[in-house]
Amino acid sequence: EAAVTQSPRNKVAVTGGKVTLSCNQTNNHNNMYWYRQDTGHGLRLIHYSYGAGSTEKGDIPDGYKASRPSQENFSLILELATPSQTSVYFCASGGLGVNYAEQFFGPGTRLTVL
Amino acid sequence: GEQVEQRPPHLSVPEGDSAVIICTYTDSATAYFYWYKQEPGAGLQLLMSVFSNVDRKEEQGLTVLLNKKDKQLSLNLTAAHPGDSAVYFCAVSGTNAYKVIFGKGTHLHVLP
Repeated sequence: EAAVTQSPRNKVAVTGGKVTLSCNQTNNHNNMYWYRQDTGHGLRLIHYSYGAGSTEKGDIPDGYKASRPSQENFSLILELATPSQTSVYFCASGGLGVNYAEQFFGPGTRLTVL
Repeated sequence: GEQVEQRPPHLSVPEGDSAVIICTYTDSATAYFYWYKQEPGAGLQLLMSVFSNVDRKEEQGLTVLLNKKDKQLSLNLTAAHPGDSAVYFCAVSGTNAYKVIFGKGTHLHVLP
């Protein structure tokens, strides 16, 4: 049974629209992360959280907000989507015991902004 | 800040041969090292974790070598098979566990 799930798996949005990507984890991990993956850039960290109620900026936070209402859920919000935000987005969880830096990834969300 | 270079970006090997992927990092304080596998349309799957006090780790046909002197991490897939075809990523982390730096990936193609 998948421990990190993302919804939707595919999304087409219009420029200027609001997009919310959702992530749920059943690993009981404290930390959660949002990345985007683009050809030539690899994985880039957008936001992360180390527990319910916390959100922190990653390396490329501009144009994105994050929300962590509970241990299990972490959302990425694009208030005004732009074509440059077309990408594949991955959520990950981690932070348990000695292997606290290991991260476990969801299947990804392919977002296209027209 | 920490930088990770991964090579080669593309690798094709015949079935049964070994495949070697190398990552070079810059920060000598790096403490944690990872290898991930990504199959088409899927997320990254953690293959192996190595801590800085380990020079060599073997699991299920995979060998990870850590050369701290040269700041180099390698993944060796022995006797590769077509099911190993995927994109492989190295990743490193220092004392700040939230900051994991990924390499840009290696597309491995194992020829049947």
